[in-house]
Amino acid sequence: GAGVSQSPSNKVTEKGKDVELRCDPISGHTALYWYRQSLGQGLEFLIYFQGNSAPDKSGLPSDRFSAERTGGSVSTLTIQRTQQEDSAVYLCASSLWPGNHEQYFGPGTRLTVT
Amino acid sequence: SQQGEEDPQALSIQEGENATMNCSYKTSINNLQWYRQNSGRGLVHLILIRSNEREKHSGRLRVTLDTSKKSSSLLITASRAADTASYFCATEPSGSRLTFGEGTQLTVNP
Repeated sequence: GAGVSQSPSNKVTEKGKDVELRCDPISGHTALYWYRQSLGQGLEFLIYFQGNSAPDKSGLPSDRFSAERTGGSVSTLTIQRTQQEDSAVYLCASSLWPGNHEQYFGPGTRLTVT
Repeated sequence: SQQGEEDPQALSIQEGENATMNCSYKTSINNLQWYRQNSGRGLVHLILIRSNEREKHSGRLRVTLDTSKKSSSLLITASRAADTASYFCATEPSGSRLTFGEGTQLTVNP
């Protein structure tokens, strides 16, 4: 079946511009996660959605970052007024249920802020 | 900060040898998972071990978990060149986010 998809696969933007990154989770998965991975580093948790519950935004690094999940499916991560330190690979994952379940990752969006 | 810490940071072995990677963590967990990442993009889930389990096998993979020492190990037996990748442990303290270590870069030389 179809896995997690993300778009675009690569994004180059100028400092100060806004960007939107999209994630399509696996159909039927109730939990959706966003992570960020800087070059040569591990993954940094950003935000987590579970069903209709309020999202866990505790990992968002600043108020320039926001995310929404419409209709319990597709999610968009928005970064406003991008900075060079925002350059990273942004990874989305989904899981059937939260807790004791593997997460399925998309291929990521490589964001480069010039 | 990252909860999981992998050791070693890099490992280079010959095809056919076994590879062992270790992970330590700090807080109590529901489970610990191992993932593989090729070429810095999407991660692939390898194995999940729950906090009440001590050992788990999947094909050539063997994972152990010692909750008293807050550590886990991943053993890959009879390694192949295709096993070359970065390996991450991830802990799930509660039913939501995973906390990843910084990974072990494994190189298997043909």
